[in-house]
Amino acid sequence: DAKTTQPPSMDCAEGRAANLPCNHSTISGNEYVYWYRQIHSQGPQYIIHGLKNNETNEMASLIITEDRKSSTLILPHATLRDTAVYYCIVRRNNYGQNFVFGPGTRLSVLP
Amino acid sequence: EAGVAQSPRYKIIEKRQSVAFWCNPISGHATLYWYQQILGQGPKLLIQFQNNGVVDDSQLPKDRFSAERLKGVDSTLKIQPAKLEDSAVYLCASRGGGVYNEQFFGPGTRLTVL
Repeated sequence: DAKTTQPPSMDCAEGRAANLPCNHSTISGNEYVYWYRQIHSQGPQYIIHGLKNNETNEMASLIITEDRKSSTLILPHATLRDTAVYYCIVRRNNYGQNFVFGPGTRLSVLP
Repeated sequence: EAGVAQSPRYKIIEKRQSVAFWCNPISGHATLYWYQQILGQGPKLLIQFQNNGVVDDSQLPKDRFSAERLKGVDSTLKIQPAKLEDSAVYLCASRGGGVYNEQFFGPGTRLTVL
């Protein structure tokens, strides 16, 4: 079973920030938080991951709470192409650990 | 770099027939995965290969599903015989142990069993 809880769906206005929450209250000290997204009819795509510090890349920012029990993925200026299902996954960052995908959050960016 | 290639993109068969899917991972990626994604759900891992050896096939329904990765490059996933509940998208992913340790996914094969 997935170790994360996400809202099933969210809407966001085009050009505004999209803030996608994820709860992972049972996360252990050596588990990372990964975010992937899946645009319709495509395979999942890596977005970002982090351990305990906030992370930013060209796609998004990841904010992890100090107790690491929850996190937020931020798309700073959402576009229509960001409409997708977003998956939050926790896993150890070693070779043998696999991803367990939950149902994710379906983000709809509205014009 | 070229991404993960999969074929066919779509397949429609009748129950009890056989079907095979093909995957060509990113060049140099030692780890290859097959996932099953049922409509409305996240992908579920079926099998993981490290080079040409199986690392994890605990969720593969071995009575009807089989997979191989000869020579540690391309892989095929076969279903024989297919059931209605096998209707899903079958995703292939590969990982090369890069800095982010992320998996790269192919576009998937959408299977419809009638």
